[in-house]
Amino acid sequence: DAGVTQSPTHLIKTRGQQVTLRCSPKSGHDTVSWYQQALGQGPQFIFQYYEEEERQRGNFPDRFSGHQFPNYSSELNVNALLLGDSALYLCASSLQNTEAFFGQGTRLTVV
Amino acid sequence: QKEVEQDPGPLSVPEGAIVSLNCTYSNSAFQYFMWYRQYSRKGPELLMYTYSSGNKEDGRFTAQVDKSSKYISLFIRDSQPSDSATYLCAMMDSGAGSYQLTFGKGTKLSVIP
Repeated sequence: DAGVTQSPTHLIKTRGQQVTLRCSPKSGHDTVSWYQQALGQGPQFIFQYYEEEERQRGNFPDRFSGHQFPNYSSELNVNALLLGDSALYLCASSLQNTEAFFGQGTRLTVV
Repeated sequence: QKEVEQDPGPLSVPEGAIVSLNCTYSNSAFQYFMWYRQYSRKGPELLMYTYSSGNKEDGRFTAQVDKSSKYISLFIRDSQPSDSATYLCAMMDSGAGSYQLTFGKGTKLSVIP
């Protein structure tokens, strides 16, 4: 079992650019959530996808958007990057709303 | 007041010690409680998952939930240097269409050989 896989592992972008992060859930899982973790902080919920729909959204601006594909994989898109968007972006998968398992994260640096 | 409060530490203990990690919370609707371990620059790893109040044991780890006090704990027995990591508590209220995990800031633990 490959677990939750995220790509890329590291990314450097320039302020104002757009970025797409990808996540493949653990085998058998149908729900994908995205979290942002700033240095020294706990993860903050961005949104959750289930059945290709955004089921719930945290307190993040519309610059953050996502998508879930029929194979349950997911993308997180961030437009008009700000320096403050620099963080570890984590994908978590679960079966319905049971235990959530996290990937290794994508470290995004905005310069 | 934050929904979930967790002392960030750092906490330093000698190898073999019993470690106690704690979180308090304010939202009485939380029903699911989790502990994650996160090594530096890695994703969180699920250690314990409990529902409502009570105790759960898994090897050297014991999770306790006291909903009346809004207080959860993780105990690590016979701590090892490999336990050195940041420990995150997380909670979820699955009622009313809420599916997000709410995390504490994490407690950084160092186990000294």
